Amino acid sequence: GDSVTQMEGPVTLSEEAFLTINCTYTATGYPSLFWYVQYPGEGLQLLLKATKADDKGSNKGFEATYRKETTSFHLEKGSVQVSDSAVYFCALPDYNNNDMRFGAGTRLTVKP
Amino acid sequence: GAGVSQSPRYKVAKRGQDVALRCDPISGHVSLFWYQQALGQGPEFLTYFQNEAQLDKSGLPSDRFFAERPEGSVSTLKIQRTQQEDSAVYLCASSLATGTRGNTEAFFGQGTRLTVV
Repeated sequence: GDSVTQMEGPVTLSEEAFLTINCTYTATGYPSLFWYVQYPGEGLQLLLKATKADDKGSNKGFEATYRKETTSFHLEKGSVQVSDSAVYFCALPDYNNNDMRFGAGTRLTVKP
Repeated sequence: GAGVSQSPRYKVAKRGQDVALRCDPISGHVSLFWYQQALGQGPEFLTYFQNEAQLDKSGLPSDRFFAERPEGSVSTLKIQRTQQEDSAVYLCASSLATGTRGNTEAFFGQGTRLTVV
């Protein structure tokens, strides 16, 4: 079935460092792709999404581009802040079912 | 309400005990999902409702798990005869769209952390 694979964490960065969290997908057709974020003690929140190939989703300084040729949707941010410390999940809707398939999550810690 | 509300936030159950987890979705949301999130893992799909109809329960791990949404709003996930492997965070999400192929954002609750001892 459809699935996503994201880089394992944890990732620890200093404030203002560049962030990349890799995500690749296996899917039937061309589904929308999502990044969710889970801040400590909170539920998952949609961070950004892209609905078709070559689309770039962006929010709060984060970006991800839907790359059909490499089946990737890597998350990037040019300058991370301490407040970005959270767990990040790549996700896509399963073609055959009514569920969202999530990656295992990547924990990011940003130190001042 | 303003968001998806789940209760209780934390539940400790003795092995063999039955538990019931509640989800109040955002008013008017058609779709409701339950997920199980083990420590250090991403959420795993359990079941999906469109209004009061349970359209997909393929992710329920055993017949000890049962979910209902009788009036198309509040949903309850029940686990009978809990076992230690049931320990996880149970997440509820709701969405305006039908299923996930509408590609509409799903809003998640904070989850219920179940610990079976």
